Amino acid sequence: EVYLVQSGAEVKKPGASVKISCKVSGFTFTAYYMHWVQQAPGKGLEWMGLVDPEDGETIYAERFQGRVTITADTSTDTAYMELSSLKSDDTAVYYCATADMITFGGAENHWGQGTLVTVSS
Amino acid sequence: QSVLTQPPSASGTPGQRVTISCSGSTSNIGSNPVSWFQQLPGTAPKLLIYNSDQRPSGVPGRFSGSKSGTSASLAISGLQSEDEADYHCAAWNDSLSGPVFGGGTKLIVL
Repeated sequence: EVYLVQSGAEVKKPGASVKISCKVSGFTFTAYYMHWVQQAPGKGLEWMGLVDPEDGETIYAERFQGRVTITADTSTDTAYMELSSLKSDDTAVYYCATADMITFGGAENHWGQGTLVTVSS
Repeated sequence: QSVLTQPPSASGTPGQRVTISCSGSTSNIGSNPVSWFQQLPGTAPKLLIYNSDQRPSGVPGRFSGSKSGTSASLAISGLQSEDEADYHCAAWNDSLSGPVFGGGTKLIVL
Protein backbone atom coordinates (compact mmCIF):
# COMPACT_ATOMS: atom_id res chain seq x y z
CA GLU A 1 0.00 0.00 0.00
CA VAL A 2 1.11 3.55 -0.76
CA TYR A 3 1.97 5.78 2.19
CA LEU A 4 3.08 9.41 2.30
CA VAL A 5 3.95 10.55 5.82
CA GLN A 6 4.62 14.22 6.41
CA SER A 7 6.46 15.96 9.21
CA GLY A 8 4.60 17.60 12.08
CA ALA A 9 3.00 20.98 12.57
CA GLU A 10 5.20 24.08 12.65
CA VAL A 11 4.85 27.56 14.13
CA LYS A 12 7.04 30.22 12.52
CA LYS A 13 7.54 33.95 12.80
CA PRO A 14 7.09 36.24 9.79
CA GLY A 15 10.23 36.33 7.67
CA ALA A 16 11.37 32.87 8.72
CA SER A 17 11.54 29.72 6.58
CA VAL A 18 9.90 26.32 7.00
CA LYS A 19 10.95 22.96 5.58
CA ILE A 20 8.43 20.11 5.45
CA SER A 21 9.31 16.50 4.70
CA CYS A 22 7.25 13.80 3.00
CA LYS A 23 8.50 10.22 3.35
CA VAL A 24 7.04 7.70 0.95
CA SER A 25 6.69 3.92 1.04
CA GLY A 26 4.85 1.26 -0.88
CA PHE A 27 5.96 2.37 -4.35
CA THR A 28 9.04 3.28 -6.34
CA PHE A 29 9.86 6.84 -5.32
CA THR A 30 11.44 7.73 -8.66
CA ALA A 31 8.48 6.45 -10.69
CA TYR A 32 6.13 9.31 -9.81
CA TYR A 33 6.17 13.08 -9.69
CA MET A 34 5.90 14.69 -6.25
CA HIS A 35 3.60 17.70 -6.12
CA TRP A 36 3.01 20.13 -3.24
CA VAL A 37 -0.35 21.81 -2.61
CA GLN A 38 -1.33 24.61 -0.22
CA GLN A 39 -4.71 24.88 1.49
CA ALA A 40 -5.28 28.05 3.51
CA PRO A 41 -7.92 27.90 6.29
CA GLY A 42 -11.38 27.56 4.79
CA LYS A 43 -10.00 27.93 1.26
CA GLY A 44 -9.49 25.80 -1.81
CA LEU A 45 -6.38 24.01 -3.01
CA GLU A 46 -3.46 25.78 -4.69
CA TRP A 47 -0.64 24.03 -6.52
CA MET A 48 2.84 25.14 -5.48
CA GLY A 49 5.15 23.06 -7.62
CA LEU A 50 6.60 19.63 -8.27
CA VAL A 51 9.81 17.64 -8.43
CA ASP A 52 10.69 14.68 -10.59
CA PRO A 53 12.63 12.50 -8.14
CA GLU A 54 14.30 10.67 -11.02
CA ASP A 55 16.37 13.67 -12.07
CA GLY A 56 15.55 16.42 -9.55
CA GLU A 57 13.90 18.64 -12.17
CA THR A 58 11.40 21.09 -10.68
CA ILE A 59 8.52 23.26 -11.86
CA TYR A 60 7.17 25.99 -9.59
CA ALA A 61 3.93 27.94 -9.68
CA GLU A 62 4.50 31.59 -10.55
CA ARG A 63 2.91 32.72 -7.26
CA PHE A 64 5.56 30.89 -5.21
CA GLN A 65 8.53 31.24 -7.58
CA GLY A 66 11.56 32.56 -5.72
CA ARG A 67 10.24 31.55 -2.30
CA VAL A 68 9.72 27.81 -2.66
CA THR A 69 12.29 25.05 -3.08
CA ILE A 70 11.20 21.44 -3.66
CA THR A 71 13.74 18.65 -3.50
CA ALA A 72 13.84 14.86 -3.46
CA ASP A 73 16.27 12.58 -1.64
CA THR A 74 16.30 9.21 -3.38
CA SER A 75 18.51 7.67 -0.65
CA THR A 76 15.70 8.03 1.89
CA ASP A 77 12.64 8.20 -0.43
CA THR A 78 11.80 11.58 1.04
CA ALA A 79 10.66 14.79 -0.63
CA TYR A 80 11.02 18.24 0.91
CA MET A 81 9.30 21.58 0.45
CA GLU A 82 10.93 24.71 1.84
CA LEU A 83 9.06 28.02 1.87
CA SER A 84 10.98 31.16 2.78
CA SER A 85 10.13 34.76 3.73
CA LEU A 86 6.99 33.56 5.45
CA LYS A 87 3.99 35.90 5.75
CA SER A 88 0.81 35.57 7.78
CA ASP A 89 -1.13 34.49 4.70
CA ASP A 90 1.20 31.51 4.32
CA THR A 91 -0.65 30.03 7.31
CA ALA A 92 -2.08 26.89 5.75
CA VAL A 93 -2.01 23.13 5.55
CA TYR A 94 0.59 21.91 3.07
CA TYR A 95 0.15 18.57 1.31
CA CYS A 96 2.55 16.45 -0.66
CA ALA A 97 0.89 14.36 -3.36
CA THR A 98 2.41 11.84 -5.69
CA ALA A 99 1.10 11.48 -9.24
CA ASP A 100 1.98 9.33 -12.22
CA MET A 101 1.55 12.30 -14.53
CA ILE A 102 3.23 15.68 -14.50
CA THR A 103 -0.23 17.15 -15.08
CA PHE A 104 -1.49 15.70 -11.77
CA GLY A 105 -4.24 14.06 -13.81
CA GLY A 106 -3.54 10.31 -13.83
CA ALA A 107 -5.05 7.33 -12.04
CA GLU A 108 -2.21 7.09 -9.53
CA ASN A 109 -2.63 9.99 -7.13
CA HIS A 110 -1.90 9.71 -3.42
CA TRP A 111 -1.70 12.39 -0.73
CA GLY A 112 0.13 12.87 2.54
CA GLN A 113 -1.82 13.66 5.69
CA GLY A 114 -0.95 17.36 5.54
CA THR A 115 1.25 19.63 7.66
CA LEU A 116 -0.16 22.72 9.35
CA VAL A 117 2.14 25.74 9.22
CA THR A 118 1.14 28.70 11.38
CA VAL A 119 2.88 32.03 10.76
CA SER A 120 2.47 34.37 13.69
CA SER A 121 4.52 36.97 15.51
CA GLN B 1 -9.67 33.67 -6.45
CA SER B 2 -9.47 30.19 -7.97
CA VAL B 3 -8.89 29.70 -11.70
CA LEU B 4 -11.68 27.11 -11.95
CA THR B 5 -15.14 28.10 -10.74
CA GLN B 6 -17.27 25.85 -8.53
CA PRO B 7 -20.42 26.66 -6.53
CA PRO B 8 -19.48 27.11 -2.86
CA SER B 9 -22.14 24.68 -1.69
CA ALA B 10 -24.59 22.00 -2.81
CA SER B 11 -27.08 19.88 -0.92
CA GLY B 12 -29.35 16.89 -1.27
CA THR B 13 -31.26 14.31 0.72
CA PRO B 14 -30.24 10.65 1.07
CA GLY B 15 -30.93 8.71 -2.12
CA GLN B 16 -31.03 11.80 -4.32
CA ARG B 17 -28.74 12.61 -7.26
CA VAL B 18 -26.67 15.78 -7.04
CA THR B 19 -24.33 17.40 -9.52
CA ILE B 20 -21.44 19.79 -8.93
CA SER B 21 -20.19 21.98 -11.76
CA CYS B 22 -16.70 23.21 -12.56
CA SER B 23 -16.16 25.96 -15.10
CA GLY B 24 -12.86 26.89 -16.70
CA SER B 25 -11.40 28.12 -19.98
CA THR B 26 -9.78 26.92 -23.19
CA SER B 27 -6.40 26.96 -21.40
CA ASN B 28 -7.43 24.34 -18.86
CA ILE B 29 -10.65 22.31 -19.04
CA GLY B 30 -11.09 23.10 -22.71
CA SER B 31 -7.83 21.34 -23.63
CA ASN B 32 -7.08 18.95 -20.77
CA PRO B 33 -8.85 16.25 -18.77
CA VAL B 34 -10.40 17.00 -15.39
CA SER B 35 -9.84 15.33 -12.03
CA TRP B 36 -12.15 15.44 -9.03
CA PHE B 37 -11.11 15.04 -5.40
CA GLN B 38 -13.17 14.30 -2.30
CA GLN B 39 -12.03 15.83 0.98
CA LEU B 40 -13.78 14.47 4.06
CA PRO B 41 -13.73 16.78 7.11
CA GLY B 42 -10.26 17.06 8.63
CA THR B 43 -8.60 14.78 6.09
CA ALA B 44 -6.49 15.04 2.95
CA PRO B 45 -8.12 15.09 -0.49
CA LYS B 46 -8.60 11.75 -2.23
CA LEU B 47 -8.83 11.12 -5.99
CA LEU B 48 -12.40 10.42 -7.07
CA ILE B 49 -12.39 10.88 -10.85
CA TYR B 50 -9.50 11.19 -13.33
CA ASN B 51 -9.36 11.73 -17.09
CA SER B 52 -12.72 13.52 -16.77
CA ASP B 53 -14.85 10.36 -16.43
CA GLN B 54 -12.70 7.51 -15.09
CA ARG B 55 -12.96 6.09 -11.57
CA PRO B 56 -9.89 4.73 -9.75
CA SER B 57 -10.35 1.26 -8.33
CA GLY B 58 -12.26 1.36 -5.06
CA VAL B 59 -14.39 4.39 -5.91
CA PRO B 60 -18.10 3.45 -5.97
CA GLY B 61 -20.00 3.60 -9.24
CA ARG B 62 -22.32 6.19 -7.67
CA PHE B 63 -19.69 8.77 -8.57
CA SER B 64 -19.40 9.81 -12.21
CA GLY B 65 -17.74 12.62 -14.12
CA SER B 66 -18.29 14.31 -17.45
CA LYS B 67 -16.80 17.14 -19.48
CA SER B 68 -18.10 19.33 -22.27
CA GLY B 69 -16.18 22.23 -23.74
CA THR B 70 -14.77 24.34 -20.92
CA SER B 71 -16.97 22.87 -18.18
CA ALA B 72 -17.05 19.65 -16.20
CA SER B 73 -19.47 18.04 -13.78
CA LEU B 74 -19.36 15.54 -10.96
CA ALA B 75 -22.54 13.57 -10.32
CA ILE B 76 -23.29 11.60 -7.20
CA SER B 77 -26.29 9.29 -7.32
CA GLY B 78 -27.90 7.47 -4.39
CA LEU B 79 -26.57 10.16 -2.04
CA GLN B 80 -25.38 8.86 1.35
CA SER B 81 -24.60 10.68 4.58
CA GLU B 82 -20.92 9.73 4.27
CA ASP B 83 -20.74 11.68 1.01
CA GLU B 84 -20.83 14.92 3.03
CA ALA B 85 -17.48 16.45 2.14
CA ASP B 86 -15.73 19.13 0.10
CA TYR B 87 -15.29 18.36 -3.60
CA HIS B 88 -12.53 19.95 -5.68
CA CYS B 89 -12.03 19.92 -9.45
CA ALA B 90 -8.62 20.28 -11.10
CA ALA B 91 -7.11 20.46 -14.58
CA TRP B 92 -3.74 21.24 -16.11
CA ASN B 93 -3.49 24.82 -17.31
CA ASP B 94 -1.39 25.18 -20.48
CA SER B 95 -0.65 28.89 -20.10
CA LEU B 96 0.39 28.56 -16.43
CA SER B 97 2.28 25.25 -16.91
CA GLY B 98 0.71 23.80 -13.80
CA PRO B 99 -2.52 22.30 -12.50
CA VAL B 100 -5.27 24.64 -11.32
CA PHE B 101 -8.07 23.91 -8.88
CA GLY B 102 -11.59 25.10 -8.23
CA GLY B 103 -12.45 26.75 -4.93
CA GLY B 104 -14.18 23.61 -3.70
CA THR B 105 -17.85 22.77 -3.17
CA LYS B 106 -19.16 21.81 0.24
CA LEU B 107 -21.77 19.06 -0.15
CA ILE B 108 -24.34 18.89 2.62
CA VAL B 109 -26.52 15.81 3.03
CA LEU B 110 -29.76 16.96 4.60
